[in-house]
Amino acid sequence: EVQLVESGGGLVQPGESLRLSCAVSGFTVSNHYVSWVRQAPGKGLEWVSLIYSGGNTGHGDSVRGRLTISRDISKNTVHLQMNSLRAEDTAVYYCASRGDPSKVWSFDLWGRGTLVTVSS
Amino acid sequence: QSALTQPPSASGSPGQSVTISCTGTSSDVGRYNYVSWYQQHPGKAPKLIISDVSERPSGVPDRFSGSKSGSTASLTVSGLQSEDEADYYCGSFAGSSNFVFGTGTKVTVL
Repeated sequence: EVQLVESGGGLVQPGESLRLSCAVSGFTVSNHYVSWVRQAPGKGLEWVSLIYSGGNTGHGDSVRGRLTISRDISKNTVHLQMNSLRAEDTAVYYCASRGDPSKVWSFDLWGRGTLVTVSS
Repeated sequence: QSALTQPPSASGSPGQSVTISCTGTSSDVGRYNYVSWYQQHPGKAPKLIISDVSERPSGVPDRFSGSKSGSTASLTVSGLQSEDEADYYCGSFAGSSNFVFGTGTKVTVL
């Protein structure tokens, strides 16, 4: 069964760091792209970052330089390193992928999300 | 990269059709056929209902259809059902390993 399970969320103070993880089962992250998408409370979806099957990455303008996606192929896990966190980073963070790796830039596999709250 | 523009709300009676627009630019929707649509019920993760402008993933009812003209994509839900009441988001590849979502549309079934 295909599953994406996020972890690592919590309450942090502004300026602190946090690392989110997305544990994948049912497919290998070296063959599929995986993305992070966030949703602030009561707000819309915002694309955050993506790591291609080949390892190249992309990040949204609002997070570039502070949030960084990476992966551990041996653990079939994708991470999101979040530095210099701000109140506006408060959101549920989803990891997402596509079951058919030939289909690009759409996401039919989603985790349940992990909540990150940035507040003093 | 600015969010794609969607109407905040749309509504229809059961059995009717509703169409949601998604307006981008020549750098995203207008340039690439990588437009997708997502349905999200409260407290749930989004669900992919259309990819590549007009393709329905397996298991998505054919009541959902997508199209594109220029820099505006559209999602039509035909034969509205109560379970279609949800938030809908479009998304588009925007070049240079970038992706952008729409502002979201709340669909109400009257």
